[in-house]
Amino acid sequence: QKEVEQDPGPLSVPEGAIVSLNCTYSNSAFQYFMWYRQYSRKGPELLMYTYSSGNKEDGRFTAQVDKSSKYISLFIRDSQPSDSATYLCAANSGGYQKVTFGTGTKLQVIP
Amino acid sequence: GAVVSQHPSWVICKSGTSVKIECRSLDFQATTMFWYRQFPKQSLMLMATSNEGSKATYEQGVEKDKFLINHASLTLSTLTVTSAHPEDSSFYICSALVSGQDNQPQHFGDGTRLSIL
Repeated sequence: QKEVEQDPGPLSVPEGAIVSLNCTYSNSAFQYFMWYRQYSRKGPELLMYTYSSGNKEDGRFTAQVDKSSKYISLFIRDSQPSDSATYLCAANSGGYQKVTFGTGTKLQVIP
Repeated sequence: GAVVSQHPSWVICKSGTSVKIECRSLDFQATTMFWYRQFPKQSLMLMATSNEGSKATYEQGVEKDKFLINHASLTLSTLTVTSAHPEDSSFYICSALVSGQDNQPQHFGDGTRLSIL
């Protein structure tokens, strides 16, 4: 079993839709959770960074972490064609510890 | 802030040659940098953790004599793929942590696409 599981998609939505991206994890030691966006042939770009359970909002993006169910989510409101990319969830136990990535979900927002 | 620059962005070379990839933190000091490898449609796999002034820590299954890592300063880490072969063709990405800022996310470079003919 992978430590971080993520549906690879692809996921296609119309412009303006609310997008829900999800991951599950198995390592109870994970305390820090991240969402990265990766465009083709580019490095990952940090979108959200959260500690422990709870919600965090930044503009059109909301990250949720539920440690009791080991479930992490990213919501994108009013999706735009420029949001089309691969979204990677990631987690680690903090400090300088190794970050474990999901396989990424490819999102396409159709104009 | 927290910009990581990686060079070159794309390299094509013949089998048997060695290739050096640079990772620089442009506006911060990075005691710790990481090297990842990503195959098409797959996630990032950590290859090694690089600490300034000391030997890198390699993940299980990564050949340290094949992938030489040097982190001689607080702003530069290099990955050298020695005697590269076609199976080494991949997307190599580095990341860096801002020195002294524990529990902060890694900042990534834009990656290097390596193609071995």
